[in-house]
Amino acid sequence: AQSVAQPEDQVNVAEGNPLTVKCTYSVSGNPYLFWYVQYPNRGLQFLLKYITGDNLVKGSYGFEAEFNKSQTSFHLKKPSALVSDSALYFCAVRDSPSGTYKYIFGTGTRLKVLA
Amino acid sequence: DTEVTQTPKHLVMGMTNKKSLKCEQHMGHRAMYWYKQKAKKPPELMFVYSYEKLSINESVPSRFSPECPNSSLLNLHLHALQPEDSALYLCASSQAQGISSYEQYFGPGTRLTVT
Repeated sequence: AQSVAQPEDQVNVAEGNPLTVKCTYSVSGNPYLFWYVQYPNRGLQFLLKYITGDNLVKGSYGFEAEFNKSQTSFHLKKPSALVSDSALYFCAVRDSPSGTYKYIFGTGTRLKVLA
Repeated sequence: DTEVTQTPKHLVMGMTNKKSLKCEQHMGHRAMYWYKQKAKKPPELMFVYSYEKLSINESVPSRFSPECPNSSLLNLHLHALQPEDSALYLCASSQAQGISSYEQYFGPGTRLTVT
C-alpha cells in the first residue's frame, strides 16, 4: 500500500530564513506526490506536484520540492520564509495511478514562521 | 475558475435532525470527493464519485449518504448523526481521466457540530 510520512509535527523558522518541511514516501510503482497547505478553518490548497521529469519542482507562492528517489523523499522548501507561510502542510501520494482516485495524506506538519 | 464552493459554512444539528451539505464546482472535473477532517489531523477520505457514479465508499456509516446529481454538484445527506461526527467536512474535485496525476481542488469546508 502507498503511504507518506511527515516526521515532524512542527517546524519553527525565523522569517527570512530558508525552510524545509520533510516528507518520505513508500509506493509500489511510480510515485505521484503532492504538497498542500491548509490555513486555519480553510480547505487545502494545492502547492505543487511531482509526476516525472526534473527532480526539483516549482510551485505556488515561491515553494519548491525536491524529489529524491534513492532516499524516497519529497521535501518541501522555500528559500526565504514569510510569516504568512505559517500554516499546516500536508504531503500526499496518489494511490495506484491506474486504479482508484485515492489520495493518501501524511499526518501534517505545522509550520510556524517567527517574525 | 479553480473554485470549489461549499454550503453551508457552519452547521449545528441535533442527533435526530436531517440535513445536507452541498458542494459545487465548474471546472469540468469528473471526480469529486468527500473528506472528514478532525482538528489538526489529515483529511480522511469518505466517498469518491467518478463520472457521477460512486466509486469509493470507505466503509462510512449509513447515516452519511452521498449523492451526485450531476457533474458539477455533490451532496452529503446527514441523518441521526453522533457527536463524534462533529468535524470539518471537505469537498474536493479533480480531473478523472488521462494521465492520472491530477491534483485535487478543495472547497473551504463545512464546520459541522452535532449536539
